[in-house]
Amino acid sequence: SQKIEQNSEALNIQEGKTATLTCNYTNYSPAYLQWYRQDPGRGPVFLLLIRENEKEKRKERLKVTFDTTLKQSLFHITASQPADSATYLCALVSTNAGKSTFGDGTTLTVKP
Amino acid sequence: DGGITQSPKYLFRKEGQNVTLSCEQNLNHDAMYWYRQDPGQGLRLIYYSQIVNDFQKGDIAEGYSVSREKKESFPLTVTSAQKNPTAFYLCASKNQGGQKLFFGSGTQLSVL
Repeated sequence: SQKIEQNSEALNIQEGKTATLTCNYTNYSPAYLQWYRQDPGRGPVFLLLIRENEKEKRKERLKVTFDTTLKQSLFHITASQPADSATYLCALVSTNAGKSTFGDGTTLTVKP
Repeated sequence: DGGITQSPKYLFRKEGQNVTLSCEQNLNHDAMYWYRQDPGQGLRLIYYSQIVNDFQKGDIAEGYSVSREKKESFPLTVTSAQKNPTAFYLCASKNQGGQKLFFGSGTQLSVL
C-alpha cells in the first residue's frame, strides 16, 4: 500500500543551525511533492512545490530536494529562528489523482 | 479579503446527533476538499469536489456526507454513523489546474 513517512515526530535544534526534515514514500509515483507549515490550531500553509523532474528548489531560507530514485524529499531551513518552530507536512500528488496525500508531519522546535 | 472561512471554530456533538461543518471560499476555486486530522497525525481525505454538483469519496468517507450546490460552499455533515468523530476538520480549496491547497482555519469537533 502507499505510504508516506516523515522523520521523527519531533526535531529540536539550536537557533542559527540548519534544520533538515525528511519525507520518504513507497508505492507511489508522484507528479510533484509539496511542503506545508502548520501552526497549532491552524490550517496548513503552502511553502514550496517541487516536480518529479526537478532536483532542487529554493525560496529564501528554504530548500527542497527531490530524489525519485531514493523516493525521498529533504526540506532544509537554513539559519533557523524560533519563529520557524511549527509542524511541517509533506504531501504527494500523483498525475491522475489530483488530490494531495499527506505525511504525519514533523514538529520542529528552534531554541534560542 | 479572499480566503476560506470555516465555522464554527469549536463544535460539540451529542451521541446520535448529526452535525454540519461550514466551509465557504471566495477565491473562485473550482475544487474543494475536506480533511480530518487526529492529534500528532497528518491529514486524511474525507471527501472532495472538483466541480459544482459533483463530489467523490476520499480515503475515510464512511460516516460523513457532503453537498456542493454552490461553487463557494462545501458543507460537511458528520453523521451519527461516525463512531469516532472527535478530530480537527480542515477544509481546503484549489484552482482547477492549480497545485497548492489553500486551507481554512479548521473546526475542532468534540463529543459530549
